[in-house]
Amino acid sequence: DAKTTQPNSMESNEEEPVHLPCNHSTISGTDYIHWYRQLPSQGPEYVIHGLTSNVNNRMASLAIAEDRKSSTLILHRATLRDAAVYYCILKIQVISNFGNEKLTFGTGTRLTIIP
Amino acid sequence: DTGVSQNPRHKITKRGQNVTFRCDPISEHNRLYWYRQTLGQGPEFLTYFQNEAQLEKSRLLSDRFSAERPKGSFSTLEIQRTEQGDSAMYLCASSFRGSGEAFFGQGTRLTVV
Repeated sequence: DAKTTQPNSMESNEEEPVHLPCNHSTISGTDYIHWYRQLPSQGPEYVIHGLTSNVNNRMASLAIAEDRKSSTLILHRATLRDAAVYYCILKIQVISNFGNEKLTFGTGTRLTIIP
Repeated sequence: DTGVSQNPRHKITKRGQNVTFRCDPISEHNRLYWYRQTLGQGPEFLTYFQNEAQLEKSRLLSDRFSAERPKGSFSTLEIQRTEQGDSAMYLCASSFRGSGEAFFGQGTRLTVV
């Protein structure tokens, strides 16, 4: 699996936007960019994923660089509940009915929200 | 359906004892995964089921570990002759092919003393 690089930690003020960067310079054409987050004492939670175009959902936005070597997860208005470890993961799209869609986690970015 | 359920949430056992964890996935999900997470690290893949078939096992899954998913519904993960190095959070996840999203349980935290 291609690797991703994320800052170990970031801080942001409550009610302000947060931009979480991820570098993936060895990404291949078939890799999707997935983001998960893990709140304290919880299992990981899906946030968003994309291939080439920017994506939006109710939780966040994903901005993907034109060359796809980096991406940014955007939380538009951070709340205290957004304090978590955020993981950027590259995942090959599985075509086969029996393909393993396992996730390869790094150490992620620990996001602290300052009240 | 309230999501992926794991039991127990916490387990403390003495070294050398056997332990078994249970995972109940989201009912319509045919794919089920087990991961292990140690402190300060991201989860690591252990094994994968498609319905009742175990299709892949990580090298992390030593012969003391065994997982089953009878009838393609719930799954169990058993660790025999536990060692202190087995202390970790064991996470279960399920997904439906093509959905792009995996749903994780809250995990079972194992402490081997």
